[in-house]
Amino acid sequence: GAGVSQSPSNKVTEKGKDVELRCDPISGHTALYWYRQSLGQGLEFLIYFQGNSAPDKSGLPSDRFSAERTGGSVSTLTIQRTQQEDSAVYLCASSFTGTGTSEQYFGPGTRLTVT
Amino acid sequence: DQQVKQNSPSLSVQEGRISILNCDYTNSMFDYFLWYKKYPAEGPTFLISISSIKDKNEDGRFTVFLNKSAKHLSLHIVPSQPGDSAVYFCAASARFFRSNYKLTFGKGTLLTVNP
Repeated sequence: GAGVSQSPSNKVTEKGKDVELRCDPISGHTALYWYRQSLGQGLEFLIYFQGNSAPDKSGLPSDRFSAERTGGSVSTLTIQRTQQEDSAVYLCASSFTGTGTSEQYFGPGTRLTVT
Repeated sequence: DQQVKQNSPSLSVQEGRISILNCDYTNSMFDYFLWYKKYPAEGPTFLISISSIKDKNEDGRFTVFLNKSAKHLSLHIVPSQPGDSAVYFCAASARFFRSNYKLTFGKGTLLTVNP
């Protein structure tokens, strides 16, 4: 079946602009995660959605970052007034359930470059 | 404060030999550990995991060892193949915490297997 898809694969934007990154999880997966990988760093947890529960936004680095998940499926990560330090690969993952042992399946990521 | 550390950014081995990738953690609440493999321009894919009640888990050519007292785990690949060349991420979670879905990742180790 189809895996996790993300769009766009690459995004170059000017500092100060807003960007939207999209994630299509695997059908039937109730949990969805966003991570960020900056250059030379590991994956950094950003936000977690599980079913209809309130999302865990504890990893969002600033209030310029927000995310939503519509209809329990597609998710959009929005970064407002982008800064150069926002340049990173943004990875989305989904899992069948939201437990620590439920395998997370990752999308290919969106490489964001802020100039 | 890095809770999961992969101190070797890179490792190079000959085809057919053993690859040993190391990972250390500081958070004693972590009780579930995973290894992910990542090829360029792709998302990480799950490789193998181990629960803290075990000290070894084997899957084909891949074996993960866990030393809880030393807060150390290692991934052994035997025999190494050129197709194993990728970045390997160590990750950990605390299953009995409310936020057990959160994976904490190391920075990764780039493994190169030379033919």
